[in-house]
Amino acid sequence: AQSVTQLDSQVPVFEEAPVELRCNYSSSVSVYLFWYVQYPNQGLQLLLKYLSGSTLVESINGFEAEFNKSQTSFHLRKPSVHISDTAEYFCAVSERGAQKLVFGQGTRLTINP
Amino acid sequence: DAGVTQSPTHLIKTRGQQVTLRCSPKSGHDTVSWYQQALGQGPQFIFQYYEEEERQRGNFPDRFSGHQFPNYSSELNVNALLLGDSALYLCASSLGWGGAGEAFFGQGTRLTVV
Repeated sequence: AQSVTQLDSQVPVFEEAPVELRCNYSSSVSVYLFWYVQYPNQGLQLLLKYLSGSTLVESINGFEAEFNKSQTSFHLRKPSVHISDTAEYFCAVSERGAQKLVFGQGTRLTINP
Repeated sequence: DAGVTQSPTHLIKTRGQQVTLRCSPKSGHDTVSWYQQALGQGPQFIFQYYEEEERQRGNFPDRFSGHQFPNYSSELNVNALLLGDSALYLCASSLGWGGAGEAFFGQGTRLTVV
């Protein structure tokens, strides 16, 4: 079985500041890793994913995440946030070949002007 | 191209009643998964359908059941509703079984049990 721990329930930052949202996972088998974003009153949107290959993955809107197998982490980072990044962010893991997503509890990112 | 569509968007039911939620997958997708997201929590996997069969199931009681139709659309049924069933129910669709296909989520159905 897999589990995901998002270490911060809320992260407040100022606009244009850098941010890191932390995610650790536990699994006895190889996994795929994902970050999803949920804007208020909406469903989930895939932000980025790690399947294999390069451990650093990037999204089109400036976010990046690095897969660290030894630390079982997949932290999400952005060098400069915007007001529009205000949302709930979920880290998720799925066992390879299973497609069932196991989500963390979420981190609410609040951007202050 | 329509994405994943869910209906209704909001629903209020009384304890003990039964409810049916509906999901149409993204065009071209054949796999549908259902998740329950309680307030302030991450989504919890309920079950997944592929080729009209339940392929995987999470830790939910038998009161939760589903169906997938030949056109790949799906229904989630919950019987004997409890107050604790109040949540956002999310449908996700993807292509194929057993791969790393990206899951596309609908906007969800907000169920309130009173």
